[in-house]
Parts: sequence; C-alpha cells; structure tokens
Amino acid sequence: NAGVTQTPKFQVLKTGQSMTLQCAQDMNHEYMSWYRQDPGMGLRLIHYSVGAGITDQGEVPNGYNVSRSTTEDFPLRLLSAAPSQTSVYFCASSYRQEYGYTFGSGTRLTVV
Amino acid sequence: GENVEQHPSTLSVQEGDSAVIKCTYSDSASNYFPWYKQELGKRPQLIIDIRSNVGEKKDQRIAVTLNKTAKHFSLHITETQPEDSAVYFCAASNFNKFYFGSGTKLNVKP
Repeated sequence: NAGVTQTPKFQVLKTGQSMTLQCAQDMNHEYMSWYRQDPGMGLRLIHYSVGAGITDQGEVPNGYNVSRSTTEDFPLRLLSAAPSQTSVYFCASSYRQEYGYTFGSGTRLTVV
Repeated sequence: GENVEQHPSTLSVQEGDSAVIKCTYSDSASNYFPWYKQELGKRPQLIIDIRSNVGEKKDQRIAVTLNKTAKHFSLHITETQPEDSAVYFCAASNFNKFYFGSGTKLNVKP
C-alpha cells in the first residue's frame, strides 16, 4: 500500500492564481481531511469528508473548495491564492473515527 | 466547535528524565483522543490513543491518561531518549472531526 499520497510536494503561486492539491489513498478509508499547519498554530482543519459524495467545512474553510467523487481521492482547490494561504498542507485519512489518521507527506505552498 | 489547548509549548528535559504534556478540551461529546509525533520536516505520526471509556493506556515508555470529568488528558514519556525529540500534538475527536492542539516541542538533551 502507498498509504496517503499528496502531490505536489512544493508549489509557488502568485497571488490570484488557482490550483488543486491532490490527495489519494489506497487503504479504502472512508474518512479524509485536509489540514494546514502554520508555525505555533498546530494543525487546523480546512475541510473533511466521511465518504464519497459527502464533504463538510472545518475550522478554516474560506478560500478553499473540496469534492469527493471517489473513496480514494480528495482534492483541495485554492480558488484565488492569497499570501495568507502560505502554509504546509496535510491530507489525512482514517478507516473510522476512532482509529486515528494516517497523514500524507504534505505540500509546502508559498504564495507570493 | 471543539477547542483543544496544549501545554507547554516547549519542554526541555535531560535524557532519562520523564516528560509530561497536558491538553484540555471543551466539547464533552469528544470521545477519542490521539497523540501524534512530528519530526522536523516529516508528517505527523500516531503514537498512542485513548478512547473515552478508558482512563489510562500504556505502550512501553509512553502512556496517556484521560480525565473526562475535568476534560483533560496527558501524555507521559518515561526514560526519555534523544530520539524522542520532536513536536507532539494532542487531538480530540467528536464523530467526524479531529481538532488538534498547538503542539509541544520536546527537546531531550543527551
């Protein structure tokens, strides 16, 4: 199993550009989430999904969209990048809520 | 929503000493409490977890305790080693969402 795969690993965007961060898992996990990690602020939940076709907002959803058309994939879209979105983004998945999350390796995004 | 507070933000101990990290949560419906270790430049990795029907759980040198009445839980690391140096995150989960604390940077001095 590859686990949770995130692409790209690094990305530099200009303000106003859009892009999609990819996340795929091959463990047949129903639960998937996107987090952003900023220094001193831990991991903040952006969006999450409990299964294909079902998504919901987390703590900091503004400026991001998600969709879950398949169990395996959970892409995160930045609609119009802003410098405040400079961060490390982690995708995570879990079989069930009480089994904890497996994290991807992260995407380091810089918006200039 | 849930609010998870974690203390201390940094912790420095001598090799062989014990380390304790504490977290509090606000939502009494939270029922699952995992702990993650993140080494520099790496992804967070689950090291231990506890469910709300259990008061304490131990795995070799690490243990977690939970006090549901007071809404706090703690991570205990005994006989610390330099390889324990990392950032540790607590989290609280209620059904579908995981909320993380702000992290504790543990430095184990040889």
